[in-house]
Amino acid sequence: GDSVTQMEGPVTLSEEAFLTINCTYTATGYPSLFWYVQYPGEGLQLLLKATKADDKGSNKGFEATYRKETTSFHLEKGSVQVSDSAVYFCALASGGSYIPTFGRGTSLIVHP
Amino acid sequence: EPEVTQTPSHQVTQMGQEVILRCVPISNHLYFYWYRQILGQKVEFLVSFYNNEISEKSEIFDDQFSVERPDGSNFTLKIRSTKLEDSAMYFCASTPGQGRGEKLFFGSGTQLSVL
Repeated sequence: GDSVTQMEGPVTLSEEAFLTINCTYTATGYPSLFWYVQYPGEGLQLLLKATKADDKGSNKGFEATYRKETTSFHLEKGSVQVSDSAVYFCALASGGSYIPTFGRGTSLIVHP
Repeated sequence: EPEVTQTPSHQVTQMGQEVILRCVPISNHLYFYWYRQILGQKVEFLVSFYNNEISEKSEIFDDQFSVERPDGSNFTLKIRSTKLEDSAMYFCASTPGQGRGEKLFFGSGTQLSVL
């Protein structure tokens, strides 16, 4: 079945460092790919998405490119801020119902 | 922005007891979902609900689970006889439609602890 694998956390960075959180997937057909973010005490919220190969999703300085050849959707940001500290979830949706399948989440901690 | 509301934020119960987790989806949304996340594991899909019936469920959603939309606003998850392994964060979500690229709107979750 469909699955998503994310890198283990926590990822600890200093402010203004470059961020990469790896995500690879297994799916039948051509899934849509997502990154959701969960800030402390809040629900998951959509950060960005891509619905076809080579699409780049972007929001709030974060980017991820849908790579069909490597089945990956890595999240990147050029310069992280303390306010980016959160848990990041990679997800995919495919099949007839498009109900998203999530990874386990990667915790990001950014120090001043 | 409209929000999905979940209550309570924390629920502690004894093994074998029944619990009801409550959610108020966004008012014009038509599809409702429950997910759960056991500590350190993936966020797992439990069930989706549309037009007053279950539209899809996972193998986790066995006979001890049920969902209901008792009125025009609430969406509930009932666990009939809780087990230790039901301890998890339970998330409710809703969407206006269901399709490729659809964004889920999540509540902040109910942390269920079964003792």
